[in-house]
Amino acid sequence: NAGVTQTPKFQVLKTGQSMTLQCAQDMNHEYMSWYRQDPGMGLRLIHYSVGAGITDQGEVPNGYNVSRSTTEDFPLRLLSAAPSQTSVYFCASSYSQGINEKLFFGSGTQLSVL
Amino acid sequence: GESVGLHLPTLSVQEGDNSIINCAYSNSASDYFIWYKQESGKGPQFIIDIRSNMDKRQGQRVTVLLNKTVKHLSLQIAATQPGDSAVYFCASGAGSYQLTFGKGTKLSVIP
Repeated sequence: NAGVTQTPKFQVLKTGQSMTLQCAQDMNHEYMSWYRQDPGMGLRLIHYSVGAGITDQGEVPNGYNVSRSTTEDFPLRLLSAAPSQTSVYFCASSYSQGINEKLFFGSGTQLSVL
Repeated sequence: GESVGLHLPTLSVQEGDNSIINCAYSNSASDYFIWYKQESGKGPQFIIDIRSNMDKRQGQRVTVLLNKTVKHLSLQIAATQPGDSAVYFCASGAGSYQLTFGKGTKLSVIP
């Protein structure tokens, strides 16, 4: 049972480049989400999904897109990377559509935008 | 919006001693609270959670205490071990709203 798998683990981009951070879970979780973690700040929610075909914005959605075509996958797209998007990104999932449930996190993607 | 904070950014304890990590929350409607442990270079790992209808919950070597009157929760780690060295986050949620995470306390265990 792999849990929540994120790829890549590290990425360096130039300003203006686009990329997709991959997230997959094998626990049949309905709820999936993306967070960013910056020094001195708590985890901040970017986007989330309560099921396939359903996505919504979190606290800091600007500059990011998501889609949820399957239960297992929830990719995060950066359309035009900016230095302000330099951060560590975590994908998380939970069993139910109820938001206040135990979240399982991936191991993170460290992104640097030059 | 909700704010969740931790009283101390760092905490150093001797191996074998008990550790207490504190957290304050601001939203009196918060009804779910959770603690995570994050080791360097890894994602947060669930430690223990508690709902607002409880004051205390125990796990393996960990206890979470919730004081709704002063909007405070704490994580107690018994017989702290070197493997407990990590950053510990609290988070809280109110109803259907998203979890709000604290900034974290770095726990260092002195051998």
